[in-house]
Amino acid sequence: DAGITQSPRHKVTETGTPVTLRCHQTENHRYMYWYRQDPGHGLRLIHYSYGVKDTDKGEVSDGYSVSRSKTEDFLLTLESATSSQTSVYFCAIRDTSGGLEETQYFGPGTRLLVL
Amino acid sequence: TQLLEQSPQFLSIQEGENLTVYCNSSSVFSSLQWYRQEPGEGPVLLVTVVTGGEVKKLKRLTFQFGDARKDSSLHITAAQTGDTGLYLCAGGRNSGGGKLIFGQGTELSVKP
Repeated sequence: DAGITQSPRHKVTETGTPVTLRCHQTENHRYMYWYRQDPGHGLRLIHYSYGVKDTDKGEVSDGYSVSRSKTEDFLLTLESATSSQTSVYFCAIRDTSGGLEETQYFGPGTRLLVL
Repeated sequence: TQLLEQSPQFLSIQEGENLTVYCNSSSVFSSLQWYRQEPGEGPVLLVTVVTGGEVKKLKRLTFQFGDARKDSSLHITAAQTGDTGLYLCAGGRNSGGGKLIFGQGTELSVKP
């Protein structure tokens, strides 16, 4: 457990509405990531952050934006949700304390359904 | 582009059998992680391997990183029903913000 929480855990919304998912960590990790998980695709990176106000795109960033105004919070926003964004969303942090710099730990996930 | 190919994607075996899951790539990685995920939960890290040829054991699970650091395998001896779950491999590189490339996952079902 790396002190990662996600909210909400479940959400149902309608096409065209904005949605914001929150990831909160308690251990002051610099790097945070947002992934989506869909059957047959494993996890795919949406956006990541390497510090407060420092973010970059992943492989499936279209239709998503992120913000990080505090070290502990990383927000993922769907500006206008579409049915193709129905998925399970995972937040992760990168733990560099053990010297294995690519090791990531994951939150419990948010299940999003866009109708 | 799927840089990490995981096989098999589905595996159903009887309790007590052995199994191996493979994770292959044409790219070199600086590290390789294996995760296990249960329904409704996030992936949980099992092991990280960083040296070509490295072998790590975790009770009945044996993980190997290929000599060229392009592939990895997970071997489970005498599988138990509690091993049921989704197994994911992920490759990392030293550059690029610590991003991981994930395989598609292997859905393992161990029947009593």
